[in-house]
Amino acid sequence: NAGVTQTPKFRILKIGQSMTLQCTQDMNHNYMYWYRQDPGMGLKLIYYSVGAGITDKGEVPNGYNVSRSTTEDFPLRLELAAPSQTSVYFCASSYSLGQANYGYTFGSGTRLTVV
Amino acid sequence: DQQVKQNSPSLSVQEGRISILNCDYTNSMFDYFLWYKKYPAEGPTFLISISSIKDKNEDGRFTVFLNKSAKHLSLHIVPSQPGDSAVYFCAASFQTSGSRLTFGEGTQLTVNP
Repeated sequence: NAGVTQTPKFRILKIGQSMTLQCTQDMNHNYMYWYRQDPGMGLKLIYYSVGAGITDKGEVPNGYNVSRSTTEDFPLRLELAAPSQTSVYFCASSYSLGQANYGYTFGSGTRLTVV
Repeated sequence: DQQVKQNSPSLSVQEGRISILNCDYTNSMFDYFLWYKKYPAEGPTFLISISSIKDKNEDGRFTVFLNKSAKHLSLHIVPSQPGDSAVYFCAASFQTSGSRLTFGEGTQLTVNP
């Protein structure tokens, strides 16, 4: 059981380049999330999805886009990379609202550097 | 506006002693609280949670206490072990946010042998 798989693990981008961070889960979770972690700042929600075809903005969505065409996949797109997007990105998934345990399952992260 | 705050960036304790990690929140609508543990180069993993209808939840060496009047929760680890060295995040959610969690900044716990 792989859980949540993120690729790539590391990436260096030049300013203005674009890339897609991939996220796949095999637990049939309805909810999926993208967070970024900056030093000393905790985890900030970028986008989330409550099911295939449904996405919504989180706290820090500017500069990013997402899509959810299947239950399993939730890619995060950076169109014009900026130094402010240097961060560690985590994808997570969870069961739908109503479960006693609201715990998320996180991927291992993607460390992105924009230079 | 940081709704969930962990004011101590780091904590160092001796093996076998108690570790107490603290978390404060400002939104009284939060009704579910969780602690996550994160090792370097890994994603956070769920540790323990508590509903707002309780004031204590225990799981082995880990106990979470919730003081709603003070909007404060704490995680106690007894006894602490070197393998507990990690970053600990507290998180909170409420019904109208769906299952979205708001995270604190994290506290780096170091347990010295």
